[in-house]
Order: sequence, then structure tokens, then C-alpha cells
Amino acid sequence: EVQLVESGGGLIQPGGSLRLSCAASGFTVSSNYMSWVRQAPGKGLEWVSVIYSGGSTYYADSVKGRFTISRDNSKNTLYLQMNSLRAEDTAVYYCARAGTMTLLGMDVWGQGTTVTVSS
Amino acid sequence: SYVLTQPPSVSVAPGQTARITCGGNNIGSKSVHWYQQKPGQAPVLVVYDDSDRPSGIPERFSGSNSGNTATLTISRVEAGDEADYYCQVWDSSSDHRGVFGGGTKLTVL
Repeated sequence: EVQLVESGGGLIQPGGSLRLSCAASGFTVSSNYMSWVRQAPGKGLEWVSVIYSGGSTYYADSVKGRFTISRDNSKNTLYLQMNSLRAEDTAVYYCARAGTMTLLGMDVWGQGTTVTVSS
Repeated sequence: SYVLTQPPSVSVAPGQTARITCGGNNIGSKSVHWYQQKPGQAPVLVVYDDSDRPSGIPERFSGSNSGNTATLTISRVEAGDEADYYCQVWDSSSDHRGVFGGGTKLTVL
């Protein structure tokens, strides 16, 4: 079964760091485009970052310089390292598969992990 | 940066047709993807590449894209279709960043 399972969310103080994990099963992370999307409480979806199968990475302006997307091929897992966290980063974070040969619609999503940035 | 504009809400009676629009500058030149999200759940892809349906998505869901507007059409609307719907593109003019519309709440009367 094709599946994504996120973990690593929690309550963190402003300025702190957190690393989210997204474990994949049923397909190979490194052969796909993989993305992170977040949703603040009561708000819409916001794209955060993407990593290409070739390894290129791109970020939303709101997180550029603070967040880093990466993957561990041996663990078939996607990561999002989040540094210098702000209150406005509070959201449910989803990982999603975004295509194989090219960027496509995000057809597989995790259940989400909640990040709360508060003192 | 590229902006996608959706109406905040659309209402339709059961059995009727719902049309949700997504506006963007020359959006017809991009591939548009649509997601359905029900409360407390992760989004689900319902249409990709303007008009294709993933397996398992009913034929009642269809899409079109031309000029400055993309449209998600839901025929024979059912109570279970009540959800938030988001359009999305990859903006090739800015490092293929993802862009979502603001979302449309579909209410089934």
C-alpha cells in the first residue's frame, strides 16, 4: 500500500528548532518529487517546499533560509528541518508525493503532524 | 509571485451542478490540479493536469482550463461532496514553486 506517515510535530518555543519526518511505504521517495504543505488553524493550504528526484530543492519565501527539506534514501524518508521558528509557523504540516517524471498533482498525502510555536 | 483566486464559497442543491473557478494570469498555459479537503482530513487530489481524474475519483468530477480561468465542475452533487476545494499550480516562472488558491467552501443545501 502506498502510504506516507509524518511524525515529529509538537509544541516548541519561538526561535526553536524541530525536524519533521515523513516515512514512505509502497514507493521510493528518491524516485519522486516530494513536497511539504502546511495549513494554519482555520486557514487554507500553503505550499512550503519541494525536493526533486534529482535533489534540487525549492522553498516558499516565508520559510526560505529557515527550513531545509532533505531525504534519507536508506530509510525512504523525507524530512523538514525547521529552524528559527515563529508563531506564524504554527500549522498542520503535510508531506505529499508530487510526481515521478515531472511535477504533477500531489496524489499521496500523509495524515499531517501539528506544529505549535508558542511560549 | 503567481496568485490564484477562488471564490470563498459556492452553494448548490443536491443533484445540481457545482462550478468552482480558479483565476490566474494566463492560467490556461499551466497545469492545474484540484484538491478536496474535508474537516480534519488530509487533502485528496480529485483532478490533475486540468482535467484528468486519479483512479477512484468519480466521473462526476471534471475540470477545464482556458485563458485566465480554470474550473472544477462537480455534476450531480451529493451531500458527501461538501468540503473545501483548492486549486494548485507549479509556477515555472519562479523555480517551480507551488501555489495554492485560497480555497472554496462547497455547501450542499
